[in-house]
Amino acid sequence: DTGVSQNPRHKITKRGQNVTFRCDPISEHNRLYWYRQTLGQGPEFLTYFQNEAQLEKSRLLSDRFSAERPKGSFSTLEIQRTEQGDSAMYLCASSSTGGTSGNTIYFGEGSWLTVV
Amino acid sequence: LAKTTQPISMDSYEGQEVNITCSHNNIATNDYITWYQQFPSQGPRFIIQGYKTKVTNEVASLFIPADRKSSTLSLPRVSLSDTAVYYCLVGDMGNTGFQKLVFGTGTRLLVSP
Repeated sequence: DTGVSQNPRHKITKRGQNVTFRCDPISEHNRLYWYRQTLGQGPEFLTYFQNEAQLEKSRLLSDRFSAERPKGSFSTLEIQRTEQGDSAMYLCASSSTGGTSGNTIYFGEGSWLTVV
Repeated sequence: LAKTTQPISMDSYEGQEVNITCSHNNIATNDYITWYQQFPSQGPRFIIQGYKTKVTNEVASLFIPADRKSSTLSLPRVSLSDTAVYYCLVGDMGNTGFQKLVFGTGTRLLVSP
């Protein structure tokens, strides 16, 4: 148990619907990341927060995707007007700057999205 | 970011030592080497991280030669539960900015009875 919590773990939605995933990072981790993983591939970076500021976004993050971390703690990833190509596992990860864990990035268990 | 090359798959038997080698010829001075393990339908799990020479923890050992152009993850006495995908990544520790992990396709380790 890495301590990064994601929910829901599984979501099945119809094409065109909106979905939202929540991530609770390890307590006091100021850095938070979202990745996406499709079957047979390694995780791909989507976006990064330091505290509440979204500092980096991948070009994979289309306009239909939005991520927030309003208070620098939990984060949400929303996908609007879902498409079948959005079907994937969405991974959240967190890390701290320094401290006993150094900058090691810890991942959650992921949220599976199936768009039908 | 330095790219890595690792075998697509490996097979082993219970009780054997498994060594997975990763090549990272373009590793930068500030880069660390990190290994993750991933089971199906789960997020990657941090195994070990190192900069040079040898690092050991309760799960694995990481051997890094002086030129740092490769590294070897060593899993002692594997069990069936070690069947997973193992990812080798290199990158800086984020001291000068955020750390964007770049995953390849990893090494699929299959441990048989």
